[in-house]
Parts: sequence; C-alpha cells; structure tokens
Amino acid sequence: DADVTQTPRNRITKTGKRIMLECSQTKGHDRMYWYRQDPGLGLQLIYYSFDVKDINKGEISDGYSVSRQAQAKFSLSLESAIPNQTALYFCATSDTRRTGASDTQYFGPGTRLTVL
Amino acid sequence: RKEVEQDPGPFNVPEGATVAFNCTYSNSASQSFFWYRQDCRKEPKLLMSVYSSGNEDGRFTAQLNRASQYISLLIRDSKLSDSATYLCVATRSNDYKLSFGAGTTVTVRA
Repeated sequence: DADVTQTPRNRITKTGKRIMLECSQTKGHDRMYWYRQDPGLGLQLIYYSFDVKDINKGEISDGYSVSRQAQAKFSLSLESAIPNQTALYFCATSDTRRTGASDTQYFGPGTRLTVL
Repeated sequence: RKEVEQDPGPFNVPEGATVAFNCTYSNSASQSFFWYRQDCRKEPKLLMSVYSSGNEDGRFTAQLNRASQYISLLIRDSKLSDSATYLCVATRSNDYKLSFGAGTTVTVRA
C-alpha cells in the first residue's frame, strides 16, 4: 500500500466550482506540503504544515486554502476554481523530528486537475 | 530569477553511454542538495542526496561545487530505464523550503 495517497487522481471541473483535494499519509511524518507542477516549471509550493496547529503559506497560496485535519491528513481547497489552476498537484511529507531538517520529501501520486 | 535552474534538455543518449548535466542555484545560503527522479506523469522520488565531497550510488555520481554554485549528476552505462526527468533540489538547513528546478529530461535509446 502507498504511504502517501491522494484523492481524486483526476478531476475535471468548471470555473467557479469549489474543489477539495485530499492527502493522507501512513508514514507518521510531521510535515506535509502541497505543490503544483506546470509544464516547464519546477514544483511550486502552495502551502505547508509543520503539524496540526501550524499552517504556512508557500510561494503561490492565492486562490487556495488548506486544512490539516489530523497529523495524517492535509486537504487543499480551491474555493472558486479558475482555468489557470489547471495543473498537476502533489502532496508530500517529510519527517523532521529525527534529523531536525526537512530533507527527503515523499510524494503522493498526484492529482491531475483540469478547470474548464 | 529562479532559485534553481536546469537545462531542460532533452538529452538523447544510446544505451551504455555516459550522460552528465548540471544545475545552478542562486541562493548562497543553500546547504542541502538533492536529485529527484520523475517519470512521466508520476510523482518525484529521491534519487540521491548530494554531499560536499561528492558521492556515488552505483552508476550515478553527484558533485557539488559551492564556489560556482552548481551541482551535477553523471549517469554511467545508461539503461533504458534511466529515461526520466531529473529534478535538482536545493534547500537551507532546518528550513521548510525545497526549491525545485524545472527538470532535465534524459531519453536513453536502444
């Protein structure tokens, strides 16, 4: 079974709709992240969470919100989707408690979102 | 300017060849470096960390040049299965933020 799962894997929606992407992990990691990936661009950080009570904006948080419902769950919402939010979205986790540094990140399989 | 820049390629090489490519980073405070591999439409996966003295993992060799602020990846004896996009990553120690390059695409042909 995958350690980091994302649902849905693919979604097509219309402009103005509210969309939630979900991420769950069984790795027991403290940190979770949401990225988007566009062709020709690197992964861009949307939001990250150090633990359940600590949520932080990344580079491109406008138009997105998140919720860390539990250590293992981190959801990304698009309150009113727009076409330029069409992208591949990845959730990732890392474990800083042992090393004190956010080194290796483990990614979920991705959600391909298309906004028409 | 992007924090991490890579030649997008593609690098098309025959099986058995050696291929090497670099990545430059702009933030001199960057302390940790990694190469991730991403197959088409799949999630990135850690290939290897890059240490100051350089390191090798099988057919893969990574080097770090702090003076010129670049890291490199060399793949020896290329296999068809090495075809992928290689993402360069830089991060500061004890910092949340990983800065990803856009990736270098390698295609190994039979």
